[in-house]
Amino acid sequence: AAGVIQSPRHLIKEKRETATLKCYPIPRHDTVYWYQQGPGQDPQFLISFYEKMQSDKGSIPDRFSAQQFSDYHSELNMSSLELGDSALYFCASSPPGPTGSYEQYFGPGTRLTVT
Amino acid sequence: AQSVTQPDIHITVSEGASLELRCNYSYGATPYLFWYVQSPGQGLQLLLKYFSGDTLVQGIKGFEAEFKRSQSSFNLRKPSVHWSDAAEYFCAVGPSGYSSASKIIFGSGTRLSIRP
Repeated sequence: AAGVIQSPRHLIKEKRETATLKCYPIPRHDTVYWYQQGPGQDPQFLISFYEKMQSDKGSIPDRFSAQQFSDYHSELNMSSLELGDSALYFCASSPPGPTGSYEQYFGPGTRLTVT
Repeated sequence: AQSVTQPDIHITVSEGASLELRCNYSYGATPYLFWYVQSPGQGLQLLLKYFSGDTLVQGIKGFEAEFKRSQSSFNLRKPSVHWSDAAEYFCAVGPSGYSSASKIIFGSGTRLSIRP
């Protein structure tokens, strides 16, 4: 079965650089979520999109922005990177329907290292 | 506010032994509850979920969990663990009722090690 695809899988950036993470949801899934997992931490919700509109917002820094495109893929843009942004970034998608938003399927993550 | 507590940071069990990972939640209404597993360097895989109905839910890889409203708990169990079960396990909660793109709140995780 198709899964959530994230690219790149690994990314190394220097401080103050920018980074773009991409997420391709499972086909026919209309909702995308972004989570950040720091070393030894639990995943923290950043932001979500439903039908290309921002739906919920968590602890996402102002330096980060995201959007969902017409094909439902999503991009997380990160600017002025800081050492503390080094983390595993997960994207998840969920299918439409009354309980769909609770069946979140996670991608393998993008490991961002800021040096 | 919703929260999830996993009181055990690290658990070691012998291969073939039974397993129970504890999870307590705090939420005003009946929550949606999940268990995810994360192998080192890997993504999060959904083991099982509880929305309503039978309080004993079966998941993949031989795992099950029981929702106990009176104890606000959703403990994960497996009768006999295998070395491949060594991983980080996260309990998570989502709000009940339909809401588009609702976030999941994760517990701090329990790291499971298997003793040969």
